[in-house]
Amino acid sequence: EAAVTQSPRNKVTVTGGNVTLSCRQTNSHNYMYWYRQDTGHGLRLIHYSYGAGNLQIGDVPDGYKATRTTQEDFFLLLELASPSQTSLYFCASSDGTGGGNTLYFGEGSRLIVV
Amino acid sequence: AQKVTQTQTSISVMEKTTVTMDCVYETQDSSYFLFWYKQTASGEIVFLIRQDSYKKENATVGHYSLNFQKPKSSIGLIITATQIEDSAVYFCAMREAVNNYAQGLTFGLGTRVSVFP
Repeated sequence: EAAVTQSPRNKVTVTGGNVTLSCRQTNSHNYMYWYRQDTGHGLRLIHYSYGAGNLQIGDVPDGYKATRTTQEDFFLLLELASPSQTSLYFCASSDGTGGGNTLYFGEGSRLIVV
Repeated sequence: AQKVTQTQTSISVMEKTTVTMDCVYETQDSSYFLFWYKQTASGEIVFLIRQDSYKKENATVGHYSLNFQKPKSSIGLIITATQIEDSAVYFCAMREAVNNYAQGLTFGLGTRVSVFP
């Protein structure tokens, strides 16, 4: 069954620490996305990618890097984590064919920065 | 820039009744796509239904239907014969056709629906 899998599901780190969130999709989709979800702000796009080696900036990219190593794998990197990055992170994929293509989401990764 | 607004923070309904939730959007584009997603208590986000702006007929999928009022920039979600399992947060989202189709969706803040027996 097609799926988007995220790891870790839960992570606690200290301010200034390094965090890598991983996402793998088996949908054979070209497009992948990282969102963060916060109370009062909803889902906001951080970065997205058209394919391996490609990276596009979303609406809230500050403090985040991302890398797409293969069609299946998309990583979100927080190199100097701050408490403001405490959030629920979602990865998603889509086939990108036409404006009506829908996003398929992973289970989410909860990050706490203390 | 596109914007999506859901003004209802929460709605409570009795099981087997109909619930309607609102969504208004802003766009400069003449062609766009509107989506509704559901986030369950476990955090899972699933796609429910879509409306293409060029289509006059309201989309319907199962017990979900849309009330698309283009002149009002409004796309309401209607859930009929609600079940306890419909308790969730519902998000409205949109994508403008002028943007690359690979670009992600812009989401509203969501409406929490609680269905009581």
